[in-house]
Amino acid sequence: DIQMTQSPSSLSASVGDRVTITCQASQDISNYLNWYQQKPGKAPKLLIYDASNLETGVPSRFSGSGSGTDFSFTISSLQPEDIATYYCQQSDNLPLTFGGGTKVEIK
Amino acid sequence: QVQLQESGPGLLKPSETLSLTCAVSGYSISSGYYWGWIRQPPGKGLEWIGTFYRSGSTYYNPSLKSRVTISVDTSKNQVSLRLSSVTAADTAVYYCARHRRGGYCSGASCPFDYWGQGTLVTVSS
Repeated sequence: DIQMTQSPSSLSASVGDRVTITCQASQDISNYLNWYQQKPGKAPKLLIYDASNLETGVPSRFSGSGSGTDFSFTISSLQPEDIATYYCQQSDNLPLTFGGGTKVEIK
Repeated sequence: QVQLQESGPGLLKPSETLSLTCAVSGYSISSGYYWGWIRQPPGKGLEWIGTFYRSGSTYYNPSLKSRVTISVDTSKNQVSLRLSSVTAADTAVYYCARHRRGGYCSGASCPFDYWGQGTLVTVSS
């Protein structure tokens, strides 16, 4: 199985801050990397697919980059509604695997 | 608008079989797309369980493969999950979801673009 390691596991930032989360795969997954947002008590929501493609309807302050084993996810200007846990997920090989999540809070 | 709704017993005893259904509206599952199940233990991360395609192809997480069956009832437009011999470790919120199409991915490897709201299943004696 491909292991996905996210960091940090949690962070606290102010409204308007730039926030970056990283995700490392245990092997080369090309650009088969997706990012989800999960708010408390809700299902995950797909934000970014194929490392850098924004899902339809997702605000442009969210972005993703990377390839191979190292990826990053950025919120350019943190908004109160962005409080959530973010997960990366690889779609290179089955079984599909997720990172451990990054909980984003407002300072 | 595609909508998914999970349903099933919320409480099971150890060794029982978990049976959940996912009712899909807004799209006929016999028309295509891959349909998956994912679970999330309370306060923990996400685990892919498995995926079904209309051709009858199924893909399971090896960690659960011996206990999992995913099937489809096209007449009811539902996807079903069965997990046998449950233990407390199977306590989780169970989600059904649709695999996205397009991009570089293919089939069961694609990310999930539509999700149900999830249903909590607790295993306790």
